[in-house]
Amino acid sequence: DGGITQSPKYLFRKEGQNVTLSCEQNLNHDAMYWYRQDPGQGLRLIYYSQIVNDFQKGDIAEGYSVSREKKESFPLTVTSAQKNPTAFYLCASRRDGNQPQHFGDGTRLSIL
Amino acid sequence: DAKTTQPTSMDCAEGRAANLPCNHSTISGNEYVYWYRQIHSQGPQYIIHGLKNNETNEMASLIITEDRKSSTLILPHATLRDTAVYYCIVRRGSARQLTFGSGTQLTVLP
Repeated sequence: DGGITQSPKYLFRKEGQNVTLSCEQNLNHDAMYWYRQDPGQGLRLIYYSQIVNDFQKGDIAEGYSVSREKKESFPLTVTSAQKNPTAFYLCASRRDGNQPQHFGDGTRLSIL
Repeated sequence: DAKTTQPTSMDCAEGRAANLPCNHSTISGNEYVYWYRQIHSQGPQYIIHGLKNNETNEMASLIITEDRKSSTLILPHATLRDTAVYYCIVRRGSARQLTFGSGTQLTVLP
């Protein structure tokens, strides 16, 4: 089945530790996105990438980093500089033009 | 960026049509209206999108006013599984990002 796979579903981080969230898509989509969602809130854009080896900061990029070495993959690293990382993280992808974004099932990150 | 305004919550009886309104009075001529929904602890699910004409698919219908300042998502026969937060989004910027607001919590009642 074509789709977007996020892993792991749940992730725990110790203070001062970097963690990487995986996002893989087999939809052959060009653009990929990372969003953060806090309880009772809408989604906020962290980073996005329209093509391989290129990405741009979204509204809340501080404390996060990404890479886009392959079209199918767009991993997100939550660094120790992110002071409040506990949230629900969502990855999305989109083909091109005005086509809609499609989302994965998310990764819930918690601090130990 | 075009901002959207939605009611915080709505109820609908099972089997009846659910009509979810959205105001987007500052929408630009080339901006599309997208609708998504999110069930608790899952990723948002795409429902439908449109520019100026009414649209229909297997999930819902989208009615956009002639001046494009508002739209309505219609779920023709709501079921309990349609209980979710519904987001109306106007696509902004050259990168075509989606800006999510707080959405409407739709509760379908038995």
